[in-house]
Amino acid sequence: KNEVEQSPQNLTAQEGEFITINCSYSVGISALHWLQQHPGGGIVSLFMLSSGKKKHGRLIATINIQEKHSSLHITASHPRDSAVYICAVNNDMRFGAGTRLTVKP
Amino acid sequence: DAGVTQSPTHLIKTRGQQVTLRCSPISGHKSVSWYQQVLGQGPQFIFQYYEKEERGRGNFPDRFSARQFPNYSSELNVNALLLGDSALYLCASSLGRISSYNEQFFGPGTRLTVL
Repeated sequence: KNEVEQSPQNLTAQEGEFITINCSYSVGISALHWLQQHPGGGIVSLFMLSSGKKKHGRLIATINIQEKHSSLHITASHPRDSAVYICAVNNDMRFGAGTRLTVKP
Repeated sequence: DAGVTQSPTHLIKTRGQQVTLRCSPISGHKSVSWYQQVLGQGPQFIFQYYEKEERGRGNFPDRFSARQFPNYSSELNVNALLLGDSALYLCASSLGRISSYNEQFFGPGTRLTVL
């Protein structure tokens, strides 16, 4: 079993829909990262959080340390949000396999 | 300020050859980490260097080695290439060691193809 599990693996949504991507981990962490990877490979850090909730524009990330679970929400999704979203935890940056999001116009 | 840069962008090698990948961190960043991302999978941690010393190593064979120079740039070397080494190699820099306080910034990656 991977130490960092993401769900779903693939997600297709219509423009405007509210999107949730989940991440569960089995190791103790000091921080959890949400990353965005576009075709071609470049990775952008979206959030780094160790408790509670963070918001940036249409993106919201939450973490529940007791339940070892984090969610990434996208409100009013747009085709430009189409990318792979990756969850990673500190302690040697262990990564989930990613969630491929496609938002259709 | 320039972001993290990596060279080359793409590389094609044959089995048994050796390869060197290069990474320049963001100015002021002292930590460089290397990751391997095989197609369709999440990245896997290879090395972290901080202040020119290896501070962490993932589960990779000794064919993989790296170093960090006084200007904090880094090289990743892979010897005796195997087909399975074909991947996107990502470099990330941060101010300090990987921790809850130091965000990592990723480079565009080097795509290595081993034939």
